[in-house]
Amino acid sequence: AQRVTQPEKLLSVFKGAPVELKCNYSYSGSPELFWYVQYSRQRLQLLLRHISRESIKGFTADLNKGETSFHLKKPFAQEEDSAMYYCALPPFGNEKLTFGTGTRLTIIP
Amino acid sequence: GAGVSQSPSNKVTEKGKDVELRCDPISGHTALYWYRQSLGQGLEFLIYFQGNSAPDKSGLPSDRFSAERTGGSVSTLTIQRTQQEDSAVYLCASSYGLAAKGYFGPGTRLTVL
Repeated sequence: AQRVTQPEKLLSVFKGAPVELKCNYSYSGSPELFWYVQYSRQRLQLLLRHISRESIKGFTADLNKGETSFHLKKPFAQEEDSAMYYCALPPFGNEKLTFGTGTRLTIIP
Repeated sequence: GAGVSQSPSNKVTEKGKDVELRCDPISGHTALYWYRQSLGQGLEFLIYFQGNSAPDKSGLPSDRFSAERTGGSVSTLTIQRTQQEDSAVYLCASSYGLAAKGYFGPGTRLTVL
């Protein structure tokens, strides 16, 4: 079964400092991964997907198949980045959309 | 177009009562998911539908929890004989096709007194 691991439940970073949210996955095929974000009092929403190779709100994520990782990075944290972040593997076959346990990111002013 | 909707947005109930939570997915989305979000617990998978069938019910916490989906659309999550530990935000999401992103509803906040 596919699995996603986010080792950090909480992460605090000073404004302007670099941010890295860790995500490791277990998947037998060729994965596509997502990062979801939930800002305070808002619904969970897609932040970015690896296949798009996009940068959203300054965040990027690179799939490293050797390390089975998909860490989320941003060079300079902003206060509005404070939120709950979830890494996810999409559904494939009978596998469900699988989320990690999430990391709560707090940006310290 | 309309996104995923859930009702009610808030539900307060007494311990021992039954509750029904409803999810209206995005039209045409074949997959529908129920998750539970508790304070400090992240997202807990409950059940997943592909069409009207549920290939994976492994996340349902107990036999007090059940869910159904009819017509490949609306889904209802039922919790019987609610307990205080059932208090959480129940999230529904839908997606279409393989490697498709999930769209989430706003959630139903359930409080069991």
